[in-house]
Amino acid sequence: SYVLTQPPSVSVAPGQTARITCGGNNIGSKSVHWYQQKPGQAPVLVVYDDSDRPSGIPERFSGSNSGNTATLTISRVEAGDEADYYCQVWDSSSDHPYVFGTGTKVTVL
Amino acid sequence: EVQLVESGGGLVQPGGSLKLSCAASGFTFSGSAMHWVRQASGKGLEWVGRIRSKANSYATAYAASVKGRFTISRDDSKNTAYLQMNSLKTEDTAVYYCTRQGGSYGDFDYWGQGTLVTVSS
Repeated sequence: SYVLTQPPSVSVAPGQTARITCGGNNIGSKSVHWYQQKPGQAPVLVVYDDSDRPSGIPERFSGSNSGNTATLTISRVEAGDEADYYCQVWDSSSDHPYVFGTGTKVTVL
Repeated sequence: EVQLVESGGGLVQPGGSLKLSCAASGFTFSGSAMHWVRQASGKGLEWVGRIRSKANSYATAYAASVKGRFTISRDDSKNTAYLQMNSLKTEDTAVYYCTRQGGSYGDFDYWGQGTLVTVSS
């Protein structure tokens, strides 16, 4: 089945920019979605279809996708952004069609 | 306001069965594909399976790890989705989330709070 690889951790100072990558074979041909999960809480969709934001998600969250890498960018990072982040795709040709990345822990220094 | 509320989790012995429910409100449940996603303690998210709407023949799909043991169903008259889990293994221990598929490309736009399933003797 399709594999999505994320760095285990990313550290960023408040006010700076965090970039979380999601690697997959020709991922640029798929729609990528991103979720934020804080401890003890359910995941929350923060970016869908590569770069769209659900209502209520700050503009500081943005996404891009090309080639073999998708990226979630968090600008002007705040303490409240500290969480685990997961990318996810729908691989329509697979017998395991909904795949999550390995997850990235974002730490705000 | 969209709400998804899971119930039915608990402690079960290996080889046993459990049925989870997901009560939905705040949206047109009958028109939505519903999924189950699980997360073992300290681990990542794992897709379990999904059921499509009546318009899509209630088609189901499952992860290889649960295929043949888990069954997803729905009752549109009750706005409820179900996850029947049989032949449970210790590795099925996890928090189980009910989610709604938001768009055509498989995103999950709303999630329940999750229900814990513990498989242990």
